[in-house]
Amino acid sequence: NAGVMQNPRHLVRRRGQEARLRCSPMKGHSHVYWYRQLPEEGLKFMVYLQKENIIDESGMPKERFSAEFPKEGPSILRIQQVVRGDSAAYFCASSPSGRAVFFNEQFFGPGTRLTVL
Amino acid sequence: AQSVTQLGSHVSVSEGALVLLRCNYSSSVPPYLFWYVQYPNQGLQLLLKYTSAATLVKGINGFEAEFKKSETSFHLTKPSAHMSDAAEYFCAVTDYGGSQGNLIFGKGTKLSVKP
Repeated sequence: NAGVMQNPRHLVRRRGQEARLRCSPMKGHSHVYWYRQLPEEGLKFMVYLQKENIIDESGMPKERFSAEFPKEGPSILRIQQVVRGDSAAYFCASSPSGRAVFFNEQFFGPGTRLTVL
Repeated sequence: AQSVTQLGSHVSVSEGALVLLRCNYSSSVPPYLFWYVQYPNQGLQLLLKYTSAATLVKGINGFEAEFKKSETSFHLTKPSAHMSDAAEYFCAVTDYGGSQGNLIFGKGTKLSVKP
């Protein structure tokens, strides 16, 4: 059973460009979380999605950031008009269950390291 | 709201010595607590979790942690460090105020193991 897949592993963008980060959850998992890790910081929650629904986006910056998890295909975290402060590692995690999700382990992908020049 | 404090951003031990990584949490309700390990340029791997069963939790790679409600602590220990334990360790708590399960992480502790 393949783990959580993220691509690309490394992404370089110039200021003002768009960044698209992809996450394929583990097979059978329908819950996806995105976290951001800034240098010397722990991971910060950004958004929680289920298939075709955003459940909680309280950690998402109000502008330029969006996320989706379509019925088919990977979850996408999109950052428009990137700025240097967006440089970070972005991690996706997935979990298998519903209302009792907090009992369960979240399985993390290897992350995408975004560098904004 | 829940929060997590990890004391010591860097800890260095000798191979074979005791590993103690500290974690204190803040929560108004019984928390669910986790320890994750991150090797360089990799994602996070779960070491162990506390979900209100036994207060002493055993995890992978010989690690264990004890939940102490009176001290609001969940410190991670390993009796004898190996070189392969060198990594960054994150303590996390579930955010009840959020949407059923997003994790709140501490800032992490980098563990170095000296030969």
